[in-house]
Amino acid sequence: DTEVTQTPKHLVMGMTNKKSLKCEQHMGHRAMYWYKQKAKKPPELMFVYSYEKLSINESVPSRFSPECPNSSLLNLHLHALQPEDSALYLCASSQDRGFAWAFFGQGTRLTVV
Amino acid sequence: GNSVTQMEGPVTLSEEAFLTINCTYTATGYPSLFWYVQYPGEGLQLLLKATKADDKGSNKGFEATYRKETTSFHLEKGSVQVSDSAVYFCALFLKTSYDKVIFGPGTSLSVIP
Repeated sequence: DTEVTQTPKHLVMGMTNKKSLKCEQHMGHRAMYWYKQKAKKPPELMFVYSYEKLSINESVPSRFSPECPNSSLLNLHLHALQPEDSALYLCASSQDRGFAWAFFGQGTRLTVV
Repeated sequence: GNSVTQMEGPVTLSEEAFLTINCTYTATGYPSLFWYVQYPGEGLQLLLKATKADDKGSNKGFEATYRKETTSFHLEKGSVQVSDSAVYFCALFLKTSYDKVIFGPGTSLSVIP
């Protein structure tokens, strides 16, 4: 199984809503990542978890809250988002920190209205 | 600083044409180099990689050679297909930057029958 599975594929939420994005991998990878990708742009790193501990937070606003409940799961909790937060949110995993050849999920297309 | 430059396109080619997408990098160190591909509506997939000078990465008919003397990692394919239509990202990874992969801006490729 060489897949990273993200749910939901599409999400529309209001600015007062609370929602969560989910990511799952069963490759035994110990590093997991959240990226944000705007249209026609490369992905931008948001968070890195290594061995279930947050190791990098790229100065992301607090309305985005990551969580790593176990080595296979990664969540991104969303609250009070702004329309400019609309983007494709990509989850990725790699064998360990320092490995760039990560596997990416299909992404969640988020629209904030 | 560390950066990746690539032709932004869009690039439009006829089926069976030869493809070159140029990629050059600036790095304070000895990076690993990657090409990722993003098909419409999907996440990123690692296409190929090279970790040291003169290494050639290859996959699905695509090739790229790590050229340290010209700091380049150009992507080539001898005969493109309509199914190759996608956005291609050149990227570098330095151990000193640890988890942070530096992506180029992406090159959009359209292959027409």
